Amino acid sequence: QVQLVESGGGVVQPGGSLRISCTASGFTVTNSGMHWVRQAPGKGLEWVSFISYDGGNQEYYADSVKGRFTISKDRSKNALYLQMNSLRPEDTAVYYCAKDRGNTWAGDYWGQGTLVTVSP
Amino acid sequence: QSALTQPRSVSGSPGQSVTISCTGTSSDIGAYNYVSWYQQHPGTAPKLMIYDVNKRPSGVPDRFSASKSGNTASLTISGLQAEDEADYYCYSYAHNCVVFGGGTTLTVL
Repeated sequence: QVQLVESGGGVVQPGGSLRISCTASGFTVTNSGMHWVRQAPGKGLEWVSFISYDGGNQEYYADSVKGRFTISKDRSKNALYLQMNSLRPEDTAVYYCAKDRGNTWAGDYWGQGTLVTVSP
Repeated sequence: QSALTQPRSVSGSPGQSVTISCTGTSSDIGAYNYVSWYQQHPGTAPKLMIYDVNKRPSGVPDRFSASKSGNTASLTISGLQAEDEADYYCYSYAHNCVVFGGGTTLTVL
């Protein structure tokens, strides 16, 4: 069955970098659109990024992270990544990866999340 | 990329129906039929309840229904049950990005 497991979260200083991962099983990430969504402590959900499933692997970003974050996939590891640079305290959140339900922009399977804390 | 507008909270008694509204603009909900709804219980990941405005993934009870009119989407939960108590988020594609609503807390009295 489909399963997503995020990892790589932790504490990082403002201005620092971190790469979080999402390892998939039960499907092939390169054949699926994939999202990153985050949730700051006690707050609502915020969409972060999407990478498409077609050959072009087109990337989309929220304005709040554009130019700082990069989404990517690794076929050999069947994984999704989010490279986060120039981190700010407001990036502190639980980061979820989600598999897109094919051409719907809806996430039908979600991981359990990984916590990223940006603090001095 | 302004957030969609949802009521902060709604409530209902077991067996009743409640409707949660989600108001956007002509650039998001009004322009596309990529509206989804998610349910989130405390400490857990969101769960997809509705996609493409009114479609239910397999396993979601038919007590959950949704619609869209103009720039506003709505989620209706009929025959409320205790386990429906959760946060609900609407979500819409908006030309190369996605916007979420602020979330609505449903309390089952």
